[in-house]
Amino acid sequence: DIQMTQSPSTLSASVGDRVTITCRASQSISSWLAWYQQKPGKAPKLLIYKASSLESGVPSRFSGSGSGTEFTLTISSLQPDDFATYYCQQYHTYATFGQGTKVEIK
Amino acid sequence: EVQMVESGGGLVQPGGSLRLSCAASGFTVSTNYMNWVRQAPGKGLEWVSVIYGGGTTYYSDSVKGRFTISRDNSKNTVYLQMNSLRTEDTAVYYCTRRPFFDLWGRGTLVTVSS
Repeated sequence: DIQMTQSPSTLSASVGDRVTITCRASQSISSWLAWYQQKPGKAPKLLIYKASSLESGVPSRFSGSGSGTEFTLTISSLQPDDFATYYCQQYHTYATFGQGTKVEIK
Repeated sequence: EVQMVESGGGLVQPGGSLRLSCAASGFTVSTNYMNWVRQAPGKGLEWVSVIYGGGTTYYSDSVKGRFTISRDNSKNTVYLQMNSLRTEDTAVYYCTRRPFFDLWGRGTLVTVSS
């Protein structure tokens, strides 16, 4: 099974900060990686697919990069609506999620 | 409107069974990868099962042999039959589509407790 490891688990940041979250796969998944945002009590929301493709309607401050086993999600300028938990997910073989990164207010 | 609505959750005793439904509208389940994903209280997301357009199914190791995914094309609905339920199956169960999950339902809560 493919394991996904996210870091950090928690991130404290301020509005306007540049934020980077890392996701590492236990084996190569090419670019078959997605990123989601989840707020309490809500279903996750797709942000990025195929490692770097921005889902329609998602603000351009969100970007993704990487291939193989190392991936990053970057928020260029953190906004108040961005405080949430973020998950990566591989879909090379079925699906596996990372354990999540909570972005909280510093 | 493109959406999915889950139903069928509730309180069940350990060892019991439950069938979840996911009614889709605005798209056809038989031409999509349809998945179930769950989230235990205060925990992360866990993929549970997928049914491909051709009907092939796969399961996570944690539910293999106990859960069965199926679909009714005439009702445009996907199901998750859950047997031999355990306390660790307690979670919100979401229906999602495609290999990357661009559409999610609101989820249905399953509580396994005596």
